[in-house]
Amino acid sequence: QVRLVQSGAEVKKPGASVKVSCKASGYTFISHYMHWVRQAPGQGLEWMGVINPSGDWTNYAQKFQGRVTLTRDTSTSTDYMELSSLRSEDTAVYYCARDNSDSRSAWWFDPWGQGTLVTVSS
Amino acid sequence: SSELTQDPAVSVALGQTVRITCQGDSLRRDYASWYQQKPGQAPVLVFYAENNRPSGIPDRFSGSTSGNTASLTITGAQAEDEADYYCKTRDSSGNHWVFGGGTKLTVL
Repeated sequence: QVRLVQSGAEVKKPGASVKVSCKASGYTFISHYMHWVRQAPGQGLEWMGVINPSGDWTNYAQKFQGRVTLTRDTSTSTDYMELSSLRSEDTAVYYCARDNSDSRSAWWFDPWGQGTLVTVSS
Repeated sequence: SSELTQDPAVSVALGQTVRITCQGDSLRRDYASWYQQKPGQAPVLVFYAENNRPSGIPDRFSGSTSGNTASLTITGAQAEDEADYYCKTRDSSGNHWVFGGGTKLTVL
């Protein structure tokens, strides 16, 4: 079945960077975009950005421009999200989510990875 | 602030019908998708596009759109439906995606 499996929890110090991976299986990796979404403790879902199937185009939320980098390795069907200059407010669960669309007016995220907790603390 | 507005909390008696709404101008152009999230779990897609429910999602979940408002309706709510529900669509620019603030559903 279609699965997204993310890397394990991370603890980082302020100012450091973190790189989270998302390994896909059960479908043709290069047929779908991939989104990244985060959720701070007790808060809602926040869209961070998206990468295209070939990995040569990305689009980031304004809030994360300059700090987030999405990449992918098509040889291993793995996506990566790197967030730099970490601060305490970046403590959150980070999710990858596969894009699906009808190419007209509907886009949906399915499935989602299990999430990766990133804790930023000195 | 979110471009999609949801009521923070809604409650429903067991077996009754509840509607969760999501307002935003982008919904006049694009359909919403809806996600259920239970504590400690990843979100799960429960409804999308004009009238689509993923396999495995009970048929008591349905969706609709009217003007700038999308709705997720649960007909005959069950205890296991207690969760947070989020709507999502593209933002006003059409280049980014945005989630509603989420609705916490309590089944009484």
